[in-house]
Formats: sequence, C-alpha cells, structure tokens
Amino acid sequence: GAGVSQTPSNKVTEKGKYVELRCDPISGHTALYWYRQSLGQGPEFLIYFQGTGAADDSGLPNDRFFAVRPEGSVSTLKIQRTERGDSAVYLCASSPLPGSGYEQYFGPGTRLTVT
Amino acid sequence: EDKVVQSPLSLVVHEGDTVTLNCSYEVTNFRSLLWYKQEKKAPTFLFMLTSSGIEKKSGRLSSILDKKELFSILNITATQTGDSAVYLCASKNAGGTSYGKLTFGQGTILTVHP
Repeated sequence: GAGVSQTPSNKVTEKGKYVELRCDPISGHTALYWYRQSLGQGPEFLIYFQGTGAADDSGLPNDRFFAVRPEGSVSTLKIQRTERGDSAVYLCASSPLPGSGYEQYFGPGTRLTVT
Repeated sequence: EDKVVQSPLSLVVHEGDTVTLNCSYEVTNFRSLLWYKQEKKAPTFLFMLTSSGIEKKSGRLSSILDKKELFSILNITATQTGDSAVYLCASKNAGGTSYGKLTFGQGTILTVHP
C-alpha cells in the first residue's frame, strides 16, 4: 500500500529564497508531524497537525517557518528567506490518530540544501 | 526540557556478533518508547514499548523498557551486514497539545563488517 510520500526528494536553493516542501500522508491518517534532521542528529519535532489545525507548533524555529494542512490531508511546510542553517532533511510522519497506541510512519524526507 | 540520550554513538562489529544499544530518557508526560531503524532517509518502525519489563521480539531483534530506571535497550543477535544503519530511540508524549509528539535521541550508527 502507499506510504507517506514527500516531494521534492532534494531541493537546492540560494540563501534568501522561498521554498515549499510537500507531504502526502497515508490516506485516512488524521495526525501529521513534521521533523527536521540535521547531519549526525536525530529528528527534531517542528509541528503537529490534528486534522486541519496545527495543534502544536512549538518546534518551529522562528517565524520564517510556516506549515499548512488546509484539507486535513496534504501538508506543505513553507520556509521564507532561507538561510544556510536551514539545510537539513525535513521528514514528515503520519499516524491514524495521535494517541499513544499508534506508531508514526515516516516519509523518505526532503533534503534541503541552502547555498 | 525533554531529553533522550543514546549510547554508544557509533559501533563497529563483525557479522555474527551480538550488540546492545542503549537509550535513556528524561521526559515529562512519558507514554511510550519507540525504536526506529534509519538506513537512507525514512526511519522504519521497529518496536513500541509501553510497559516495563516486557520484552518485545522480532526475529533477531529484541527490546525492553525499564520505567523505573528510565532506559531501554535494543539487542541484535547474530548481526548481518544488512543491520548496518542508524538506530533511533524516541520517547512518545502522552498528553496535552503535544499528544503523540516524538523526542528523538541522536542515534547510534551501527556498522557490521562481513
């Protein structure tokens, strides 16, 4: 069956540009999470959606980062005025429900490189 | 601030060896401890542990949680080159607006030589 998909798989952009990263969760999964993984580190939480609303955006590093999930399915992570420090792999995960009994299924990630 | 620490950070072994990976955690609202294997990009799920002292097993892999001492171990017996990967441990949050949020350790890089 289809898993979590993310596009693009790789994105190279210049410092100061705007980028959008897309996540297609597993069909029917109501919970969606974005994480960021820097080289040699574990993933770090960015934002969590329950349905269409962002239930917890406490991990977003600053106001250049924003994410939406307008119809409760696909989500887009948007980064304005990119900086070299934003270079990382951005992972998306989905879960049937956010509850403790459910594991999160991860997508392959988008590797963002800011030059 | 929630914290998950894994050790060792890297490990090199030969095929057939047994390895033990460690994960300790200090988190508020703890619910579960999860282990993932990451080979290229997407972490793939291995185990979720909620109860203390109950071993979970899948083939050559097994894991157990100690909620009193706040740690978990992942064992891999008779290692194979295909076990080479980064192994991630994560704590799962129980409630509030962060329900289900994962806090990851930095990972253990396992390399298995033929």
